[in-house]
Amino acid sequence: DGGITQSPKYLFRKEGQNVTLSCEQNLNHDAMYWYRQDPGQGLRLIYYSQIVNDFQKGDIAEGYSVSREKKESFPLTVTSAQKNPTAFYLCASSLAPSTDTQYFGPGTRLTVL
Amino acid sequence: GENVEQHPSTLSVQEGDSAVIKCTYSDSASNYFPWYKQELGKRPQLIIDIRSNVGEKKDQRIAVTLNKTAKHFSLHITETQPEDSAVYFCAARNTGNQFYFGTGTSLTVIP
Repeated sequence: DGGITQSPKYLFRKEGQNVTLSCEQNLNHDAMYWYRQDPGQGLRLIYYSQIVNDFQKGDIAEGYSVSREKKESFPLTVTSAQKNPTAFYLCASSLAPSTDTQYFGPGTRLTVL
Repeated sequence: GENVEQHPSTLSVQEGDSAVIKCTYSDSASNYFPWYKQELGKRPQLIIDIRSNVGEKKDQRIAVTLNKTAKHFSLHITETQPEDSAVYFCAARNTGNQFYFGTGTSLTVIP
């Protein structure tokens, strides 16, 4: 787990502003994922990437964007189009898309003021 | 897509008793089922997992069972301890390598 990091831990944003959440891993993992977690709910998939320069939408991609220019980095941008962005955001990675174990980062708590 | 349901949403047990959490899934092609433990404000930690070609797996006080026909799987924790108190999530991975999570069970172990 220590090989996957997220920053910042807490983030505050004003309405109408875009904000980018960082996710970095030094595990040499091919696959990376972004999830959103709301109180009383499970993790919901926003975007995932199975290889560099490729990514797919998850169930709740609207209002979010990602890039995967480097294997170790998978930043998530929360745009102003996301109507309810306040949540806990978790990044995860796995060795390969079909590899079982998924490791999570420590998370970023985003609050819109 | 896949739909994972988890029950109960909250569970309280006396220390030393067993706890059972159940999940059902909808996609019969799902092939991997992990269980995660999440403490407040922390990242989910994998505690046990099972593949679709196995019916049961055990690791010390924790076990998972899978019934592919009925499309449900369960987490069993025996001899519960206060440090087992946390939120537990089940998940199912589909053939597109996407993970779908249950809504979580808040387990409280009463000393």
